Amino acid sequence: NAGVTQTPKFRVLKTGQSMTLLCAQDMNHEYMYWYRQDPGMGLRLIHYSVGEGTTAKGEVPDGYNVSRLKKQNFLLGLESAAPSQTSVYFCASSYSSGTASEQYFGPGTRLTVT
Amino acid sequence: AQKITQTQPGMFVQEKEAVTLDCTYDTSDPSYGLFWYKQPSSGEMIFLIYQGSYDQQNATEGRYSLNFQKARKSANLVISASQLGDSAMYFCAMRGMGTGRRALTFGSGTRLQVQP
Repeated sequence: NAGVTQTPKFRVLKTGQSMTLLCAQDMNHEYMYWYRQDPGMGLRLIHYSVGEGTTAKGEVPDGYNVSRLKKQNFLLGLESAAPSQTSVYFCASSYSSGTASEQYFGPGTRLTVT
Repeated sequence: AQKITQTQPGMFVQEKEAVTLDCTYDTSDPSYGLFWYKQPSSGEMIFLIYQGSYDQQNATEGRYSLNFQKARKSANLVISASQLGDSAMYFCAMRGMGTGRRALTFGSGTRLQVQP
C-alpha cells in the first residue's frame, strides 16, 4: 500500500515550457486535491476533484489545468510555465468530503521555473 | 470564506518542556473540522490531530492535544514533553461543509525549534 505518490519529485523548467505532474493513490479515495506551497506560507488549493471525470477550481487555479480520467490518478498540467509557478506541489486524497475525513498527502514535487 | 490565522512565525522551546502553538479560525459553516499537520525539513505533511466542531472533549493523540475553545474560535496545539524531533513547521488547517470548501484551508504555519 503506497498511499499517495507523486511523479516527478523534482523538475526544472524554462519559462514557456509545459509539463504534467502525476498523482496516484491506491486507497480508492473519491476526493483528490492539488495544493501549492510557496516559501514561508501554508498550502493553497489549486484544483480538486470529487470523483472520476470531475474537477473544480480552487483558490489559485490560473495557469493550471487538471484531469481525472481514472479514479486513482489526478494530473496537474502547466501549459506555459512562468517563474511565479516555482513552488512545491502537493497532491492529497481523502475518502469523503466529511469534515472529519483526513487528507493523505503525497511527498511533494519541487518545481523551479527559470 | 474560511480563514486560519497562526500569529507565531517561530517558537523556541526547551527539550522536555511543553509548548502551545496558537491557531484561530473564522468560518460561517455550522459544522467543520480542525486539523494540525507537521512538516519536517524533509518536506512531507504529517497528520497529527483532528477536532470536530461538535466534539465535546478536546482531542488528544499521544503527546499532542488540541485546546479547542469554540466561542473564541481557537484551536491551539499543545505538545507535551518536547523532543528534538519535534522541530518542524506546524500548520493548522480547517475543513468546512460548503461547496468548494471540501479542501483544507491552511494557516501560514509556525516554525518550532526544540533546544537541547
